[in-house]
Amino acid sequence: AQTVTQSQPEMSVQEAETVTLSCTYDTSESDYYLFWYKQPPSRQMILVIRQEAYKQQNATENRFSVNFQKAAKSFSLKISDSQLGDAAMYFCAYFRDNNNDMRFGAGTRLTVKP
Amino acid sequence: DGGITQSPKYLFRKEGQNVTLSCEQNLNHDAMYWYRQDPGQGLRLIYYSQIVNDFQKGDIAEGYSVSREKKESFPLTVTSAQKNPTAFYLCASSVTGFSYNEQFFGPGTRLTVL
Repeated sequence: AQTVTQSQPEMSVQEAETVTLSCTYDTSESDYYLFWYKQPPSRQMILVIRQEAYKQQNATENRFSVNFQKAAKSFSLKISDSQLGDAAMYFCAYFRDNNNDMRFGAGTRLTVKP
Repeated sequence: DGGITQSPKYLFRKEGQNVTLSCEQNLNHDAMYWYRQDPGQGLRLIYYSQIVNDFQKGDIAEGYSVSREKKESFPLTVTSAQKNPTAFYLCASSVTGFSYNEQFFGPGTRLTVL
């Protein structure tokens, strides 16, 4: 079974600074999808960014970008110009099309210091 | 507004009782999912449904049951066979299942067994 590992249980960043959250995954497949979801204190899960494995170009959504290293099976999330509202749990997720397999990492709790 | 609703927000159950968690969506999504969230473990898939009148077991289906009689509704029953039901339960939906499509999550239900 595929596993998703987030090695940083907690991270903190100063407001306006940049932080990178790590995610590695284990798979023997070549075609899959990767996601980062955010869960603020309200516990409502929100999609932050997603990446298709066949695309070499790293996905970007405003202040959020990923560093997708397919060979290394790494999918890190970079948050630039951190804001207080970015404080949340961040989950990395792996989805494999057509075999109904999805895995979430254990999460990284991000604290933003004013 | 379109979205997913879960009720109740908090639920208390005595040991040996069955309890049903509600999940409704008005997004016209075909696929719906139930996840369980425990501290330090991320999200784990309980059941999913990709079409009305059909559903499949996820990784931790034992002690749970579901139905999908309507496209909009995917209730989850936690039975007395579930040994450790105290957890946070999240319902989600997507246009189609297990694809690049974003999963939209409900606000969750916190179940506590007394």
